[in-house]
Amino acid sequence: SQQGEEDPQALSIQEGENATMNCSYKTSINNLQWYRQNSGRGLVHLILIRSNEREKHSGRLRVTLDTSKKSSSLLITASRAADTASYFCATDRLQGAQKLVFGQGTRLTINP
Amino acid sequence: DSGVTQTPKHLITATGQRVTLRCSPRSGDLSVYWYQQSLDQGLQFLIHYYNGEERAKGNILERFSAQQFPDLHSELNLSSLELGDSALYFCASSVEATGSEKLFFGSGTQLSVL
Repeated sequence: SQQGEEDPQALSIQEGENATMNCSYKTSINNLQWYRQNSGRGLVHLILIRSNEREKHSGRLRVTLDTSKKSSSLLITASRAADTASYFCATDRLQGAQKLVFGQGTRLTINP
Repeated sequence: DSGVTQTPKHLITATGQRVTLRCSPRSGDLSVYWYQQSLDQGLQFLIHYYNGEERAKGNILERFSAQQFPDLHSELNLSSLELGDSALYFCASSVEATGSEKLFFGSGTQLSVL
C-alpha cells in the first residue's frame, strides 16, 4: 500500500489564491519530499523537509511537517496558471528501505 | 532538463511480447530507480539499483526484470506483456543509495500494450 496519501485528490482555485495540499503517511521517516508533475511528464523535485524540521520555505512554497500526526502540508501562495499540475508527496522510511514511496497525488487546477 | 535520459519515449506493442526500456542516469549519479505510473495504481516503485547492485525491490512482477550495467545505465525488461502493463514507466537517478535523497526523473516511456 502507498506510504503517503494526499488530500484532496483534486483542487481547483482561481489564480492569485493560495492552494493547500495535505499528505499523510504511515511509518516513521527520515525525510518527506514534494514533487510536481505536469501532465504526462517527469516529476520535478520541489522541496525536501527532514524529520527534525517543522517548516520550510522555497519561493512561493511553504511545507510543514508534523511527525506526531504523520502529516505534511504544501502551501502554494499567490497561485499562477503555470502552477497547474499534479503534486505528490514522497516518503522514505526511518529503517532505510532505500526506496522513495509516492502518494496518489493532488491534481491542482488554477483557473485564470 | 533533468539530465536523465529515457528511451524510447513511446512504445506500442502487442500482448505476449517483450520490450526493453532504457535509462541513462545523470552524470555522476550511481542510483537508478524505476517507477510505473498508471491511472488506477498511481506511481508504484518497482526497483532500485546502486552501482550495479540491486538495493530495493517493490511491487515488481516476476515477468519484469531490471539490471544496471557497469556504465551505470539501466534497462527494464518487460516480458509476456498484458494489457494491464500499459503505463508510463519512469526512471529516476540520484547520487546516493539511501532512498532518502532528491530524485531526478526522466521524461518517461509511455508503453501501450494492444
